[in-house]
Amino acid sequence: QKEVEQDPGPLSVPEGAIVSLNCTYSNSAFQYFMWYRQYSRKGPELLMYTYSSGNKEDGRFTAQVDKSSKYISLFIRDSQPSDSATYLCAMSALGDTDKLIFGTGTRLQVFP
Amino acid sequence: DSGVTQTPKHLITATGQRVTLRCSPRSGDLSVYWYQQSLDQGLQFLIQYYNGEERAKGNILERFSAQQFPDLHSELNLSSLELGDSALYFCASSVAEKARQYFGPGTRLTVT
Repeated sequence: QKEVEQDPGPLSVPEGAIVSLNCTYSNSAFQYFMWYRQYSRKGPELLMYTYSSGNKEDGRFTAQVDKSSKYISLFIRDSQPSDSATYLCAMSALGDTDKLIFGTGTRLQVFP
Repeated sequence: DSGVTQTPKHLITATGQRVTLRCSPRSGDLSVYWYQQSLDQGLQFLIQYYNGEERAKGNILERFSAQQFPDLHSELNLSSLELGDSALYFCASSVAEKARQYFGPGTRLTVT
C-alpha cells in the first residue's frame, strides 16, 4: 500500500464548477500538507501549504486537512479552463528529513 | 516562474553513458532537493542538500550521485545509464528546512 493515495482521474468538469480533489494517507507522522499544480511537461507549482489540521483559503482555492481521518482536500471554486492540469498532493513528516511524499496526481480537465 | 533554474531542458543519451544535470536554487535558498518523475513511479524524492551538506537520501540508486557547491548550485550525476532511467528530473529549493519547496522546470532525460 502506498503512503499517499490519490485518484488519478481524469476529472472532467464544465467551466464554473466547484472541483474537489482528495488524497488519503497512512502515515500519522505527516504534519505538512501541500498541493501542487503541474501543467504538461512543466515543473510542479506550489498552490497551497498547510501545517497540521484545518482549512486554508487563497483566492479560488481552499485546502482542508483532516488528520483524524488522514484525508486532505483541495477545492477549486469557479473553475476555469486554465485550471486544466494535474494536481499533486504532497506531504512531509516532522523529523530530520524534508522529503516530500507525493500522490500520483489527479488530471483535471475544465471545458468551456 | 519559480526562480529555480535547471539545465539542460532535454538530454538524449545512450545506455551506459554518464550525464550531469545542473540546478540553481532561488536566490537566498539554502536547501536543494532532487526528485525523479516517471510514468510508473510518479514523483520520487532522491536526495537533499542543505548549505553544501547532504541532509537526506531517498530511493537514489548507487549509480546516481549529487553535490551542492559553495555558491549553492547543485549537480546530479547519473552514470551507467539504463533505459529505465529515462524520466523527468526536478530540482526544488527552499529557504530553510521545513519550508516551502519550489520546483524548477525540470530536465527531461531520454536514454536510448
